[in-house]
Parts: sequence; structure tokens; C-alpha cells
Amino acid sequence: SQTIHQWPATLVQPVGSPLSLECTVEGTSNPNLYWYRQAAGRGLQLLFYSVGIGQISSEVPQNLSASRPQDRQFILSSKKLLLSDSGFYLCAWSGWGSEDEKLFFGSGTQLSVL
Amino acid sequence: SQQGEEDPQALSIQEGENATMNCSYKTSINNLQWYRQNSGRGLVHLILIRSNEREKHSGRLRVTLDTSKKSSSLLITASRAADTASYFCATDDRGSTLGRLYFGRGTQLTVWP
Repeated sequence: SQTIHQWPATLVQPVGSPLSLECTVEGTSNPNLYWYRQAAGRGLQLLFYSVGIGQISSEVPQNLSASRPQDRQFILSSKKLLLSDSGFYLCAWSGWGSEDEKLFFGSGTQLSVL
Repeated sequence: SQQGEEDPQALSIQEGENATMNCSYKTSINNLQWYRQNSGRGLVHLILIRSNEREKHSGRLRVTLDTSKKSSSLLITASRAADTASYFCATDDRGSTLGRLYFGRGTQLTVWP
């Protein structure tokens, strides 16, 4: 069966420090991969999505970047964190087909930038 | 934007009562999905309804879709304390082949024992 791993679960970082969040998927190949951010009391904002290795699309301009070095690995990065980068970050994957349109989410990373 | 919006923002009921949440969206869709999120956790898919469907059931869940009004509702019957969570609707982007979903802000459901 397919599983998605996301780590770390919580992270406290000072302003100006770098960031690297990692997400890996097991049990499937060539998944679509997504990074979402959820601010406190808000909905989910789609940050990045990827349909294949090295293929990254950004939904909104921001201080973050994403990379997909391997088929089932998706990394969210920042060179210098801002206070506004605080939030709950969720990685998700999907297949694409008549029955594969739903998203499977990781357990999330709570990022606090201080 | 394509983002769905749930209504109400918060709902508080007693166990055994039914809970109804609504979702409105702005543009044409291929399907609409409902997700559940327990506090501090990832989202879990509940049910998907396609644009050519009007109603769908899954256990205690009933979803309706009215594409003419661009709205959907999620009904949870005979609610339980364990149903306490945030519920989100998500819409796709008609014509898109990439499976991007756009989420609303959610309805926080509290079920009191």
C-alpha cells in the first residue's frame, strides 16, 4: 500500500535561517506531488506541485522553493526564513486517473519562525 | 479564484444530531471533494462527487452537488464525538490535467457527547 512520510513534525527556526522539509512517498510510482501551507485558522494554500522529476510549478510567488530530485521525493526549501513563513506545511500526493484524483496527505510540519 | 468557501465557519452540535456543512465555489469543475482534518494532522479524503452527479452516499456521509448554483453540501448523520474535526471542500480546475485542488477555509465541527 502507499504511504507518505513527512518530517520533521515540528520545527522552530529563527528569522533568516534556512529551511528544508522533506517528503517521500512509498508504494507508488510517478506520483503528482504537492506542497500546501495552512496558516492558523485558514484554509490550505497550494504552494508547489510537481508532475515529475525536476518539474516544479509554483502557484504563488514567495520566499520558498521546491525540488524533486527523485521520483518519490519532494523537498521544500528556503534560504532565509521570514516571520510570515510560519504555518503548517503539508505534503500530498495523487495519482491521475478516473479513480486517482484524491489527495493523500502527510501528517504535516508545524513551522514556527521566531 | 477557484477556491471553495465553506459555511458555517464553526458548527457545534450534540451527539446523535445531524451536521450539515455547505461549500460554494466560483468556476466550472470536474469534481468536488470533501476532506476531514483532525487538529494538527494531515487531511483525510472523505468523498468525491463528480460534476455529472447530484448526490452520493458513503456510510453516514451524504454529499450533494448543484452545479447550477456552484454549491455542495456535506451531511453527517447521527454524529459522534469522534466526528469532531475540521471539514474542507476542495475543487479541481476544469480542463486541468494536473490534479491541482483548491481548498476552502473549512468548517470546524464540534460534537458534544
